[in-house]
Order: sequence, then C-alpha cells, then structure tokens
Amino acid sequence: GAVVSQHPSWVICKSGTSVKIECRSLDFQATTMFWYRQFPKQSLMLMATSNEGSKATYEQGVEKDKFLINHASLTLSTLTVTSAHPEDSSFYICSASRQGMAYEQYFGPGTRLTVT
Amino acid sequence: RKEVEQDPGPFNVPEGATVAFNCTYSNSASQSFFWYRQDCRKEPKLLMSVYSSGNEDGRFTAQLNRASQYISLLIRDSKLSDSATYLCVVNMGDYKLSFGAGTTVTVRA
Repeated sequence: GAVVSQHPSWVICKSGTSVKIECRSLDFQATTMFWYRQFPKQSLMLMATSNEGSKATYEQGVEKDKFLINHASLTLSTLTVTSAHPEDSSFYICSASRQGMAYEQYFGPGTRLTVT
Repeated sequence: RKEVEQDPGPFNVPEGATVAFNCTYSNSASQSFFWYRQDCRKEPKLLMSVYSSGNEDGRFTAQLNRASQYISLLIRDSKLSDSATYLCVVNMGDYKLSFGAGTTVTVRA
C-alpha cells in the first residue's frame, strides 16, 4: 500500500506557458500532500504543504501566485507552474501522508519540467 | 548553516566492502531521523528510520548520536545495487522533513 503517482513524468514547455502537475494517492487517503523541488545535485526543498480542502502553506521564498496548489480531494493535489521560465526547470516531487502521520511521507515518482 | 549536512562523496567502493558515512543536523530539537535512498532521476525511497538505540536492517546499520547531533549509515557487504545517493532526513517534530543533499555511493565490480 501507500502508492503515490504523478503525472506527467516529464514535460517540456515554452517560456510563458503554464504547466499543471497532478499528484495522486492511489490506495490511501492523503490528508496532507507536500510539494518539493530538486535542482541537480541539491537536496529536496519543500515548496508548500497542502491539506485537503484548505489553502496551501508556502515556504519562505516560494511565490504562491506562481506556484498554484489545489488539494481538492483526499487523493488528488495539483501544482500549476504559471508563466513558466527557464529557471523553473527542475524536478518536482510530491509526497503524501495519512492523517496524523505527517512525518511518514510517501513520494511520487517526480515530474521533470524543462522550460525552453 | 544548513539544517542537514552531508558529505557529498562520492564513495567509490568494491563489491563486498563496507562503507559508512555521516550526516549532521543543526536543530537539537529534531525528533525523528531517516535515511532515504534516491536513484538517479527517481524519487526518494525510505531506506530505514533511525532510532536512538541504533538499528539494523539486513546489511544496513544506522546510528544516532544526539549529543553530537549526527546520524550514521553503514553498509556491509556492498552490492552493485547499493549504488545510489543516500539522503539524510530529519523531522523537527512538525510535519516538515528536512533533507540533506545526499551522499553518493558507487559500488564497483
């Protein structure tokens, strides 16, 4: 159990366009989902935390108007990168946790975004 | 200062060798500790949790030293399949995980 999927696994888009990434918990209800970004040879950096039905909490330095997060159900959270630029190119990974077990996170396979 | 620091390596070892490395964390209030494994261009996967008394899972042994604020991972009888980046992860007691940048291990035949 505890499988998390992400779609798409990779995407190439032109500068200025928006990209939506989906994160789904397939066999459990995820009350909390997390969005991370990882640049090459660097650690995962938490971007935001979302709880089902409420607004996401963004980490310092992450623009909430640029990275739109929606957690509409207990199995789905989406991250939309708006007006993407080449510096947004990165590996975006989501994770999900069950209620009351936020420190035990199950990771999705990641989405590699390349903005040209 | 970074919350979690690791020697990036790489540690290049022959099959069958033992390899060990540490990570240090800055927040003495940290409560939970983990080692994750990340293969190239893949998501991190939980390798093991780290308990105060130290714990072992097959060929992997993790130790926690709260006084010195470091965590160690030891891999015995290395296999080619152990080649990966090992991430040290610390939880401060809230829902957030802090990741180290990883230690790369390459096991050669």
